[in-house]
Amino acid sequence: GAVVSQHPSWVICKSGTSVKIECRSLDFQATTMFWYRQFPKQSLMLMATSNEGSKATYEQGVEKDKFLINHASLTLSTLTVTSAHPEDSSFYICSARYRGSSGNTIYFGEGSWLTVV
Amino acid sequence: KQEVTQIPAALSVPEGENLVLNCSFTDSAIYNLQWFRQDPGKGLTSLLLIQSSQREQTSGRLNASLDKSSGRSTLYIAASQPGDSATYLCAVRRVGNDMRFGAGTRLTVKP
Repeated sequence: GAVVSQHPSWVICKSGTSVKIECRSLDFQATTMFWYRQFPKQSLMLMATSNEGSKATYEQGVEKDKFLINHASLTLSTLTVTSAHPEDSSFYICSARYRGSSGNTIYFGEGSWLTVV
Repeated sequence: KQEVTQIPAALSVPEGENLVLNCSFTDSAIYNLQWFRQDPGKGLTSLLLIQSSQREQTSGRLNASLDKSSGRSTLYIAASQPGDSATYLCAVRRVGNDMRFGAGTRLTVKP
C-alpha cells in the first residue's frame, strides 16, 4: 500500500528556535496533504490543508506565520514551527491523499513528537 | 462544522468481554468514517474504514457499523484481550477530504 513518511520522529529543540518536520509520500504523488496536532490526552486537530504549488489553508486559531507550511513538490510537504515555545510541544502528524483508479484514500505518516525545552 | 463525539471517554473491562465503542457525528455529508487505534506515544493504526455507502466492515474480532442518516457509528470488539488496550479514535472524512477526529475512547482490558 501507499506509504507516507515523516521525519523526524522525535525532536527536541530549544525555546525560540525553529524546527522543520517533513512529510513525504514515498510511492505516490499527493496534491493535498494535511497537518494535524495532538496535545497530550486530546484528539487530533486539523491545523492546515497543504496544496501543492499554492498556499496552505489554515484552520481557525492556527497562526500561519508561526506554523509555516510548504508543499513545493508532489511528494513533500514541510511544517516549520517558528520561534517554538514549550506550549508548542505536541504530536504532529501528517496525512496525504492518494488518488487511484478506484477513488482516493488518505494515508497517515507515523507522526513527529516535538518537545520544546 | 462537523463535530465528532465518542462515548465513553474511558472504558475498563475484564479480559474476554465483548464491548461497544460509540461515535456520533453532526454532519451526515461524509465521504467515509474510519476507526483508528493509538497506543501511548505512538501514531495511528487504521482498523476499519467504512465508505459512506456501506453499512459495516469487519476485520477479525472487530466490526464497525455506520448509520449515516443518524450520524452514528459503533466499533464492536469481540472477546477482548489485554493487547486491545489502547485509545480508539473515530474519524469522519468530509467531502472536502480532511478528517475530523473524536476525542477517543481509552480502553483498558484487564487480564
